[in-house]
Amino acid sequence: KAGVTQTPRYLIKTRGQQVTLSCSPISGHRSVSWYQQTPGQGLQFLFEYFSETQRNKGNFPGRFSGRQFSNSRSEMNVSTLELGDSALYLCASSLGQGAGGYTFGSGTRLTVV
Amino acid sequence: DAKTTQPNSMESNEEEPVHLPCNHSTISGTDYIHWYRQLPSQGPEYVIHGLTSNVNNRMASLAIAEDRKSSTLILHRATLRDAAVYYCILRRDSSYKLIFGSGTRLLVRP
Repeated sequence: KAGVTQTPRYLIKTRGQQVTLSCSPISGHRSVSWYQQTPGQGLQFLFEYFSETQRNKGNFPGRFSGRQFSNSRSEMNVSTLELGDSALYLCASSLGQGAGGYTFGSGTRLTVV
Repeated sequence: DAKTTQPNSMESNEEEPVHLPCNHSTISGTDYIHWYRQLPSQGPEYVIHGLTSNVNNRMASLAIAEDRKSSTLILHRATLRDAAVYYCILRRDSSYKLIFGSGTRLLVRP
């Protein structure tokens, strides 16, 4: 079956702009989580959506937001980009219930210049 | 969230077993022990998880101490493709987020 698909793979934006990243989960998975990975901070949890509702949120400023659609696809948005937002953004999908594992996508590499 | 402690790096020879340790002394009764690995230029990959009993799957085995304060991920025969950063994570049953530490970087020598 198809894995988790993230688009685009690479993105270059200018400070102050906004960006939208997309994630299509594995078919049948209802939960989508987002993570930010940087060399300095490692992998950090951003937020998690289940059935179109945000169920968990990490410690990121309000410039970072997300949503989930009825088909479980998810988008995350970062407004007023800062240089420090340059990172690999990873999406993970799961059934959303129980203790099972997550399937990650390959990520979107965002560079802010 | 309870914290895990892992060695920064480990080395192994190809085709030999590898035992990756993880300490989690503050684990609670509802915390599942998850292992993920991240190969270069890829997202993390789920390896295995368990609660109290040892677990086996096609990728690895997970040995959990009786008091659950530590666990060991066992790769039975390391290959060059197993070179990655391995993360040991505690995930509470009611929590749907993963808190990653710095992990163990595994180097496999040919």
